[in-house]
Formats: sequence, structure tokens, C-alpha cells
Amino acid sequence: QVHLVQSGAEVKKPGASVKVSCKASGYYFTDYNILWVRQAPGQGLEWVAIIYPRGGETTCAQKFQGRVSVSRDTSTSTVYMDLSSLRSEDTAIYYCVREQQFNMDVWGHGTTVTVSS
Amino acid sequence: QTVVTQEPSFSVSPGGTVTLTCGLNSGSVSTSHHTSWYQQTPGLAPRTLIYNTYTSSSGVPDRFSGSILGNKAALTITGAQADDESDYYCLVYMGGGIRVFGGGTKLTVL
Repeated sequence: QVHLVQSGAEVKKPGASVKVSCKASGYYFTDYNILWVRQAPGQGLEWVAIIYPRGGETTCAQKFQGRVSVSRDTSTSTVYMDLSSLRSEDTAIYYCVREQQFNMDVWGHGTTVTVSS
Repeated sequence: QTVVTQEPSFSVSPGGTVTLTCGLNSGSVSTSHHTSWYQQTPGLAPRTLIYNTYTSSSGVPDRFSGSILGNKAALTITGAQADDESDYYCLVYMGGGIRVFGGGTKLTVL
């Protein structure tokens, strides 16, 4: 069975960085892209970034350029999202999602990141 | 900057039909945007309903369908049920790996 298991909740101070992990299982890791999507409290969904696990290429939304880094470890089938220079507006649930040919078929359970002084 | 537009809210009677739309602030939505649709109940992760404009995700009831209507992508619910009351989001592919979500539509069934 396919699973995306994300790391636990984080509380960070403004200006700090956070690293969220997403461990895949139940399928061939490099056959599917992984997207990151976030949702701030009471707000809508926001696309953050994508990684293509086969070659490791990444793309992110313009507003996150310079602040987000996405990487993967093929030996452990894990994707990581690093977000730096955190501010209160980054408080959100961060989801990793499996995708192939624009079909986002499996969602992680979400990781709550709270940025507070 | 690309803005994806959705109706903020919509209401439908039980058993009725409703069409939610997904547009662009500049230009038309076409099949090349590979629009997908998501349903979200508060407190839960989103659920994928439709991808690649028309294709239903596995396990999705056939009362949900996707299409292009004029210059927008559309999600139609035929025979709405009480548990369809949710937030609905579209996601548009803009090329170069970039995706953009719409602001979401809050659907009320009453």
C-alpha cells in the first residue's frame, strides 16, 4: 500500500529555518513526482514546490524563490523541504503529495509548522 | 502574476446540479493547463477529484465531472448530496513546472 509519512509538528521562531520530511513507501520512488502544498489557518491551498525524484530537479513558486529548498534521498525514498527566514505568515500545514502526469493521487497527512516568537 | 479565479461561495439544493468554475486573470483555461480539482473538508487533507481536466480520480463518484466551459475549467456535481458540502479548489499548470491554486469555493448544500 502506498504511503507518504511526514515528520512531526514544528515550532520555530521568526528568522529560523524548518526542514520537513516526507517518506514514501509502497511504490517505486523515482516513478512519481513529489509536490509540496501548504495551507495557512483558515486560508486556501497554496502550491509551494515540486521535485522530480529521478534527476532531483526542482521548481518552486516565485514567492518562495531563495527561501525554499527541496531535496530527495533515493536510498531512503525520502523528500525534504527546507524553508528558511521563517515569518509568521509561514505558519501553516505543509502537505507532500505524490503526482504522476498531473494526477496528485496520494497526500501525506500534513505537518504543522508554527512560527511564533 | 497569474491569478486563478474561483467563485468564493456557491449554494445547491440536495439532488441539484452545480457547476463551479476556474479561470485565469489573463487568458483562457484550456486542456494544456491540465486543471485538477480537489475537495477538502475542514481538518482533513484534500482529496483529488479530477485531474487532466476531465479524468476522475480513483474511487470518486461519477456525479463529479470535469470539463472546459467557454474560457474556464469547470467542475460539475450532478445530484448533489449533503456530504458534498466542502471547500473545492482547482489547480492550474502554468508550464515550467509551475502550478497555481485557485482561491477555493465554499459549497453549501441546503
